[in-house]
Amino acid sequence: KAGVTQTPRYLIKTRGQQVTLSCSPISGHRSVSWYQQTPGQGLQFLFEYFSETQRNKGNFPGRFSGRQFSNSRSEMNVSTLELGDSALYLCASIEGAAANEQFFGPGTRLTVL
Amino acid sequence: GENVEQHPSTLSVQEGDSAVIKCTYSDSASNYFPWYKQELGKGPQLIIDIRSNVGEKKDQRIAVTLNKTAKHFSLHITETQPEDSAVYFCAASITGYALNFGKGTSLLVTP
Repeated sequence: KAGVTQTPRYLIKTRGQQVTLSCSPISGHRSVSWYQQTPGQGLQFLFEYFSETQRNKGNFPGRFSGRQFSNSRSEMNVSTLELGDSALYLCASIEGAAANEQFFGPGTRLTVL
Repeated sequence: GENVEQHPSTLSVQEGDSAVIKCTYSDSASNYFPWYKQELGKGPQLIIDIRSNVGEKKDQRIAVTLNKTAKHFSLHITETQPEDSAVYFCAASITGYALNFGKGTSLLVTP
């Protein structure tokens, strides 16, 4: 099976812009989680989707949003970018509604100038 | 919310020695504890996990122990090899799909 795919792998934006990141989970997996990884804060949970519904959300401002499509692919959007949003954004694929094992993609490296 | 603390932040061992990384968690409702290995330029990879109804789990050179009473869990790597060098993260979860990570341990195994 192909692994988790994230596009783009690298992205450079300027403050105030918005960005959309994409994640394709492992075939057959219906749940997707998103995480932000920074040197200072480490890995932090953003949100999780199952069957196009957001089931849980981390402690991030409303500028961070996401969605999931009927084919399980997911996107996350960050509006009004700030310098502090520079991070590696990781997507994880989860097989079922309650399965615990999360398979991570390689991430999207976002740099905000 | 759940708070996971991980120690040490860096660990250097010689090839063949054992390495131990320890984590504590704050929420007694957490019931799933995975460990991830992250190599440079890659996403985290699950190496072993343990659930709250189990005290210890082993997979070849890797083992994890869980003490629910004390709310801590540990990763043990025996017979370390240079390819074990990476950053290791522990995590705790109540829901299973929202992981709360520790800050990571950078492990260096020198030949």
